Amino acid sequence: DVKVTQSSRYLVKRTGEKVFLECVQDMDHENMFWYRQDPGLGLRLIYFSYDVKMKEKGDIPEGYSVSREKKERFSLILESASTNQTSMYLCASTSGAGGRDTQYFGPGTRLTVL
Amino acid sequence: QQQVKQSPQSLIVQKGGISIINCAYENTAFDYFPWYQQFPGKGPALLIAIRPDVSEKKEGRFTISFNKSAKQFSLHIMDSQPGDSATYFCAAKTGGYQKVTFGTGTKLQVIP
Repeated sequence: DVKVTQSSRYLVKRTGEKVFLECVQDMDHENMFWYRQDPGLGLRLIYFSYDVKMKEKGDIPEGYSVSREKKERFSLILESASTNQTSMYLCASTSGAGGRDTQYFGPGTRLTVL
Repeated sequence: QQQVKQSPQSLIVQKGGISIINCAYENTAFDYFPWYQQFPGKGPALLIAIRPDVSEKKEGRFTISFNKSAKQFSLHIMDSQPGDSATYFCAAKTGGYQKVTFGTGTKLQVIP
């Protein structure tokens, strides 16, 4: 089974702090994604990566950056956390083998910025 | 911006009833339409998916109906059970491109 793990289930940070969210997948997937999930807004793509050191902006990249130094690990960085970044953050991966491959999600990190 | 519009936002169905969730899209380049199911405290997981060359796909109690001309698709859950209580997301994707566009989600509650 594909497993996508996220470093924390719950995180509380202060405004202005630098925040790192880590995601690791164990299936040698090419593509990795970061989404945020908010009630009534669904899943919105922040960034995705289709290869090591490669990244592409999603729909809401402002205030975020990413890092992919190894194939299995994709990090989301909040350079200076703000209260409007309080949300559920979901990481996902896909094999990239075909146009209809499945997105495998981690359990999510609920981030609260005070 | 590519969009997938999903309704209703929430749904309450009695056990044994039919749950229906509707989605509409604009981009005719979409060629793959998956549905994801998310239980509380978990990430979404693929439930069922359809291609636009098929008008209906059934897997157990779950059926996707697809209307290409209307650019609409829907999920039907027959004989709904309390264990089906979850949030459901429709989605759309263009083949060969990894980005998936998700709907806003429907929170389904099946009451005994």
